[in-house]
Amino acid sequence: KNEVEQSPQNLTAQEGEFITINCSYSVGISALHWLQQHPGGGIVSLFMLSSGKKKHGRLIATINIQEKHSSLHITASHPRDSAVYICAASVAGSYQLTFGKGTKLSVIP
Amino acid sequence: NAGVTQTPKFQVLKTGQSMTLQCAQDMNHEYMSWYRQDPGMGLRLIHYSVGAGITDQGEVPNGYNVSRSTTEDFPLRLLSAAPSQTSVYFCASRQTVHSGNTIYFGEGSWLTVV
Repeated sequence: KNEVEQSPQNLTAQEGEFITINCSYSVGISALHWLQQHPGGGIVSLFMLSSGKKKHGRLIATINIQEKHSSLHITASHPRDSAVYICAASVAGSYQLTFGKGTKLSVIP
Repeated sequence: NAGVTQTPKFQVLKTGQSMTLQCAQDMNHEYMSWYRQDPGMGLRLIHYSVGAGITDQGEVPNGYNVSRSTTEDFPLRLLSAAPSQTSVYFCASRQTVHSGNTIYFGEGSWLTVV
């Protein structure tokens, strides 16, 4: 069982919809990262959080340490949000990140 | 700042050939790493470095070699390419060895071994 699980694997939304992508992890962490990868493109860090909530534009990331769960929300989704969103856990006491398999989001006009 | 620069973007190799993927960062980051990304799998760590002169193996190191002679550069060498090494490769860096720092990725290198 992967230590970091994302759901859903694939998500199709209409433009303007509110989107939620979930990430659950089974290890102790020092931080949780959300990454974005556009088709054929590189990977960009969206958020790194260890508690509470962070907001950047239309993107909001939350984390519940007790429940070992994080969510990425996109408000007023747009076709340019179409990408793979990857959750990664900074394992406590380790140099390394443990990655989820990603959620492929398609936003249709 | 250029961030993390990876070259080449695309490469086709024949089985048995060797090649080097270049990675450079201009942020004076301590930690650098190489990942491969395959369909249906998360990013997997190949090798990493916590500073100049220090490297270590990750989850899938076989068939790959690295060195870190300077803080800026962290090349990945494929010693004798195999079709199983067809993948997308990402170099990444972060400021310190602690994994709770923002990570910066290169644009990726698409490698096909025929």
